[in-house]
Amino acid sequence: GAVVSQHPSRVICKSGTSVKIECRSLDFQATTMFWYRQFPKQSLMLMATSNEGSKATYEQGVEKDKFLINHASLTLSTLTVASAHPEDSSFYICSAQGGGVSYNEQFFGPGTRLTVL
Amino acid sequence: DAKTTQPPSMDCAEGRAANLPCNHSTISGNEYVYWYRQIHSQGPQYIIHGLKNNETNEMASLIITEDRKSSTLILPHATLRDTAVYYCIVRVTSYDKVIFGPGTSLSVIP
Repeated sequence: GAVVSQHPSRVICKSGTSVKIECRSLDFQATTMFWYRQFPKQSLMLMATSNEGSKATYEQGVEKDKFLINHASLTLSTLTVASAHPEDSSFYICSAQGGGVSYNEQFFGPGTRLTVL
Repeated sequence: DAKTTQPPSMDCAEGRAANLPCNHSTISGNEYVYWYRQIHSQGPQYIIHGLKNNETNEMASLIITEDRKSSTLILPHATLRDTAVYYCIVRVTSYDKVIFGPGTSLSVIP
């Protein structure tokens, strides 16, 4: 199957700093990428959907000014957590989806664990 | 809105078949049943999907009832590495968003 990577795998930062998480599709062109957040012992919650070259669509209750998503190329999407606070500590997972018969499925990244002190 | 219901947890003996049920009584005619799993602290992994026929791949089998209101994911010979949370999801097409419910936490016991 197709491979999706995330960087970094884990990050620890101080409250008030901004953190950028990268999501890359390594062997296919991702026309759509999705960002999820997962708190301990909970399921994944969809935060937003981004299509290459256009603005992201955020799910209800997700602050777009807090979670900035950029999908500038067909292989890279970034999630920036602006002015992170301890309540933003979570496991962030992206998934990528491309066109074509082989790649119309969503492939998930390994996740990024964010800890805000 | 929850489209599927799954038991919160299940145990299975190593080497035995694990049968994970899922109810989707409000499924529409054009909705597929997808299964994913998430091993602890990893991203979800696609397992299998089907519309109305039973499906099998190298990982698992999917049995869908004739009325399509429920399905069962079968791991034929569970190993310790199959310990994970299993999610049953219904979607119209693979381009739909994947919305996760609580899933079933499967523990494979030696």
